[in-house]
Amino acid sequence: IAGITQAPTSQILAAGRRMTLRCTQDMRHNAMYWYRQDLGLGLRLIHYSNTAGTTGKGEVPDGYSVSRANTDDFPLTLASAVPSQTSVYFCASSRTDYTEAFFGQGTRLTVV
Amino acid sequence: KQEVTQIPAALSVPEGENLVLNCSFTDSAIYNLQWFRQDPGKGLTSLLLIQSSQREQTSGRLNASLDKSSGRSTLYIAASQPGDSATYLCAGCDTSYGKLTFGQGTILTVHP
Repeated sequence: IAGITQAPTSQILAAGRRMTLRCTQDMRHNAMYWYRQDLGLGLRLIHYSNTAGTTGKGEVPDGYSVSRANTDDFPLTLASAVPSQTSVYFCASSRTDYTEAFFGQGTRLTVV
Repeated sequence: KQEVTQIPAALSVPEGENLVLNCSFTDSAIYNLQWFRQDPGKGLTSLLLIQSSQREQTSGRLNASLDKSSGRSTLYIAASQPGDSATYLCAGCDTSYGKLTFGQGTILTVHP
């Protein structure tokens, strides 16, 4: 089934640890995004990539990094997790910048 | 900075009713507006995308309209069913890299 796969589904992480959230899409979309969803704050963009080899900062990039080595994969790394990074993380993709966006099922991350 | 507001925050209706969800945005220079559905603990499912040059889009019992001049979009759901119960999110795309600015959502409950 075509779509976006995120892993892990959920994770409890000790503060200070490094963590990579994985995102893979099989729709050959050029653009990919990482959002976080927090109660009362809604969904906010962390980082984006318009095409393989390029990335950019979104609204809340601090403490996160991304890479886009190929079209399909867009991992999000927390170098040293802090409790404020407890959130639900969604990966999204779209064929181009202005076309319909599709979302993964999310990763629920708890930093303790 | 784009701000997206959704009214009402919550809505409870009996099965069979037609209903309207409202979305307003502050910056009319949007490329497109997208409506999503989110079930508890799940990802976002795309419902409808309206490009800036379009006035409305329809899919089954759903109809979404866009009025850029007034900064408003509406999602019309005909003959509501209990299975329509979910959170409905609207998001405007107003940047060159496809960032979506989300509203806080409308929690819809359709009771039998």
